[in-house]
Amino acid sequence: DSGVTQTPKHLITATGQRVTLRCSPRSGDLSVYWYQQSLDQGLQFLIQYYNGEERAKGNILERFSAQQFPDLHSELNLSSLELGDSALYFCASSPRGQGASYEQYFGPGTRLTVT
Amino acid sequence: GEDVEQSLFLSVREGDSSVINCTYTDSSSTYLYWYKQEPGAGLQLLTYIFSNMDMKQDQRLTVLLNKKDKHLSLRIADTQTGDSAIYFCAESSSSGGYQKVTFGIGTKLQVIP
Repeated sequence: DSGVTQTPKHLITATGQRVTLRCSPRSGDLSVYWYQQSLDQGLQFLIQYYNGEERAKGNILERFSAQQFPDLHSELNLSSLELGDSALYFCASSPRGQGASYEQYFGPGTRLTVT
Repeated sequence: GEDVEQSLFLSVREGDSSVINCTYTDSSSTYLYWYKQEPGAGLQLLTYIFSNMDMKQDQRLTVLLNKKDKHLSLRIADTQTGDSAIYFCAESSSSGGYQKVTFGIGTKLQVIP
């Protein structure tokens, strides 16, 4: 158990809908990362937050957005869903501080199926 | 931009050593990592190495880093069926005041009993 929690575990929804995925980082970790993993694209970095602020953006679509709240949990919002958005979505958290090695601890993922 | 490359597949017999290779392009990499992903699970950090080190050993795992060639390898001694998984190589480097992490596509290790 990495200490990172994600809900829900599975999500099935229809095209055009909007969903919210939730992540709670490990206690004490300030950085949260979101990734999308699909069979044909591998592990794609979407976005990173550090202590509530957006720090880096990867291959995140405009239909997707995220935020990190004062209690450090994060939410990934996916809207106008398309069949191609079906994937595993992972959240990871990372320690930060002097000597930090920036290793990431991954949650179990949310499997999104768009029908 | 930064790139991390790995072969897609490796098959070994139980009890043999496995060597998974990775190459990266970013010469300013600070840390390099190996993650393991079992079916239906998230990625699990196996080990990492600071870029000024050549080798790191942790029980059955040995990481070798050739910084000149930008080549990283993970050796698993006495490979077991439980080692069957996808192994991801990753590197981190400073970018605009934060650490950017780039993952490879993953190498699927199949262990034959």
